[in-house]
Amino acid sequence: KQEVTQIPAALSVPEGENLVLNCSFTDSAIYNLQWFRQDPGKGLTSLLLIQSSQREQTSGRLNASLDKSSGRSTLYIAASQPGDSATYLCAVRLSGGYNKLIFGAGTRLAVHP
Amino acid sequence: SAVISQKPSRDICQRGTSLTIQCQVDSQVTMMFWYRQQPGQSLTLIATANQGSEATYESGFVIDKFPISRPNLTFSTLTVSNMSPEDSSIYLCSVAGRTSGRSDTQYFGPGTRLTVL
Repeated sequence: KQEVTQIPAALSVPEGENLVLNCSFTDSAIYNLQWFRQDPGKGLTSLLLIQSSQREQTSGRLNASLDKSSGRSTLYIAASQPGDSATYLCAVRLSGGYNKLIFGAGTRLAVHP
Repeated sequence: SAVISQKPSRDICQRGTSLTIQCQVDSQVTMMFWYRQQPGQSLTLIATANQGSEATYESGFVIDKFPISRPNLTFSTLTVSNMSPEDSSIYLCSVAGRTSGRSDTQYFGPGTRLTVL
């Protein structure tokens, strides 16, 4: 059974710091991995999607890496801003024709001025 | 990205009643899903909404409690039946498999925040 773990559960940093959020999964047979952002009481915004054959994806100040063999992904946020404050969720999609996403519990990020 | 709307955005309901949540997408999609996010928890898939056939439910979720409709490629409804306080959650519609753009990415609606008294 696939399980997704995110560390740390919460993070509070001053503005300007570079951050690394971690995601690990127990079964390496994944189709892809997706990082989302969720603002309080809101839906999810897709940030980055990494296919199982890829090593990383970049969008602006965000960079996500994937090491499928070790069951790990990291989300790197450069030069953090208060507007980055949100919960960050990682989710894996299983291989084998399944469309189901398995979510981690998230990392709650607070960036203070 | 896909534009997804949900109605209602929030509701407060009495125990024993039912609520139907609507999900509308701005373009045709292959896959539509319904997720639940209980307070302080992450997301759990309830079911995959299949056009023209019965939804596919995940373990722990049944059709009698969460009937789902999907009459076409842009619209789906989820009903939460005979509600109890334990059903208080955010319910999110998700889509994947757009005919244009990145078909593997899953997009989520804004969610429906349900409180059952």
